[in-house]
Amino acid sequence: QVQLQESGPGLVKPSQTLSLTCTVSGGSISSGSYYWSWIRQPAGKGLEWIGRIYTSGSTNYNPSLKSRVTISVDTSKNQFSLKLSSVTAADTAVYYCARDRPVASIFDYWGQGTLVTVSS
Amino acid sequence: AIRMTQSPSSFSASTGDRVTITCRASQGISSYLAWYQQKPGKAPKLLIYAASTLQSGVPSRFSGSGSGTDFTLTISCLQSEDFATYYCQQYYSYLITFGQGTRLEIK
Repeated sequence: QVQLQESGPGLVKPSQTLSLTCTVSGGSISSGSYYWSWIRQPAGKGLEWIGRIYTSGSTNYNPSLKSRVTISVDTSKNQFSLKLSSVTAADTAVYYCARDRPVASIFDYWGQGTLVTVSS
Repeated sequence: AIRMTQSPSSFSASTGDRVTITCRASQGISSYLAWYQQKPGKAPKLLIYAASTLQSGVPSRFSGSGSGTDFTLTISCLQSEDFATYYCQQYYSYLITFGQGTRLEIK
């Protein structure tokens, strides 16, 4: 059973960079043809896809965030990571990592989510 | 970006009811649509993909239909554990987008 777990600071100051890591267990991040995605959800609001990475390093980003987002993968650690720069209060949200099925971008496994608050 | 609009935004129902949630895409997306269920404090759970294919382990009281721009999620006989928020998601475009959610509450 694949499991995903987000980790990283829960509080980030405005203008700084938000950094999160997703650790995948129960299987190799390199097996299959999966993409690995980040999705966020502000409190009481809907879901916003941030971007995804393939284990080759190929990425796709949401254009609304593209200038500030970097997603990377470390297959040796079975992890992928998110960096979001120049954060503001609008970036306060629960951040989820998720497995993105090959061919069809549907999310069949999710992390539990981690709340990141942007505040001074 | 393809805009996904769900209706209603929220509604109340009773256990045993049959309920339908609608999702409309701003342009045709063929059958590239998924439905998720989210309970408070939890990650979304995949229910249906390809508009009508039930994810493994999901009860058969859940069903999906539609293609093009109009889609529905039906729960045939509401159970207490079904009260949650439901989201549709399109994956026709590489820019994945979700509906705003439909909150299903107990009457």
